[in-house]
Parts: sequence; C-alpha cells; structure tokens
Amino acid sequence: AQSVSQHNHHVILSEAASLELGCNYSYGGTVNLFWYVQYPGQHLQLLLKYFSGDPLVKGIKGFEAEFIKSKFSFNLRKPSVQWSDTAEYFCAVKSFQKLVFGTGTRLLVSP
Amino acid sequence: KAGVTQTPRYLIKTRGQQVTLSCSPISGHRSVSWYQQTPGQGLQFLFEYFSETQRNKGNFPGRFSGRQFSNSRSEMNVSTLELGDSALYLCASSLEPGSGEQYFGPGTRLTVT
Repeated sequence: AQSVSQHNHHVILSEAASLELGCNYSYGGTVNLFWYVQYPGQHLQLLLKYFSGDPLVKGIKGFEAEFIKSKFSFNLRKPSVQWSDTAEYFCAVKSFQKLVFGTGTRLLVSP
Repeated sequence: KAGVTQTPRYLIKTRGQQVTLSCSPISGHRSVSWYQQTPGQGLQFLFEYFSETQRNKGNFPGRFSGRQFSNSRSEMNVSTLELGDSALYLCASSLEPGSGEQYFGPGTRLTVT
C-alpha cells in the first residue's frame, strides 16, 4: 500500500513569504492525490486534488500543487502567504480505495 | 446544507470500558469513513461504510467496530478501551465509496484514563 511523507513538520514564515510544502508518495502508477487543511478550531477540509491531466492544479485561497510523476511528489505552493494561512496541512493519496495521509505540516505565519 | 456532525464532542472513559461514537453525514452522502488522529501517528483510516456495509477496513484490532444505518448515519464502537485509544476520532462523508473527496466532521476527542 502507498505511504505518504511530509518532510517539514513545522514551518514558520512571515507574511508575504512564499510557501512550498513537500509531499512524496511511495510508488507510481495511477494516483489520486490530495491536500487537506485544518485551520485552528475548524474541520479538516479539502484544499485541492489531482486525478489526471494538467499536473499543475489550483485550489482554494490561492494554493496550487504540482504533480511530478518522476519524483513521486505533489508539493503544495503559495506565492505569498497570509496570517490566515496558519493551519495544519495534510497531503493524502488514495490507495486501495482509502485515503492514506501524511503526518501533516504545521504552518505558522507571523504578521 | 448542514455539515457532518459528530456526537459527543468530548468523552472521558476508563480502561476496560467501551464507547460508542456517532456520526451523521451530509444529507445525500451515503459513504461514511472513520479515522483516528493522534499526534504520533497522524490520521489513520479505520473503516468505511456504504449502504450499511463495511466496504474497507484499516489495520486496527477487532476491538474497533462500526455500523451504518439505513439513513446513512454511522456509529463506531471501541470495546475494552486501552490508554493508547486516546485520540481524536474523525468521521468523514462522501457521495460515493472510495472517494478521496471527503467532508470531515469536528471529531470526538476520546480520553482514556
């Protein structure tokens, strides 16, 4: 079964800085990939998804992610973060009809 | 549309007891999945129910069980609680089984003492 690695457990950025959070999954083939976000005090919610086609996918709130098949990666990016982006971010892959999550990255954006 | 609701939100139990958690999916969603979230292990899949049938199961002992009712509401049960069962239990609903696009509830925080 697939596994997901998120290399950064904690990230601290200043507002307006660019963000890139790493995500790698364990093996190739057809993959469905997701980023979920959990804002403080809120439910886990879907940020963006990749099923096929254009490897650069855009999600809500200005986030995007790039699927690089050769690197088994699906990194999350945002050109300029805001204080309101402070949250925990989870990468996930669908494996045998179930979601397998990474351990999450806590992002703190300081104003 | 109302979101996924879970009851209770917080629960404290002692070792050896059993517990039942409840989840009501978004109206029209027939698939319900359960996850355990802990600081050390992150989010781990417990099981998924669709049309009152368990469709998929994670690597958890038989003490963890669940069921789904005809109105798609779901319950999970943990028997003979252990300290390590302390966690946030999340329920998620989706339109179809096996979907990666899931809508999560607020969770039930279970503390086992």
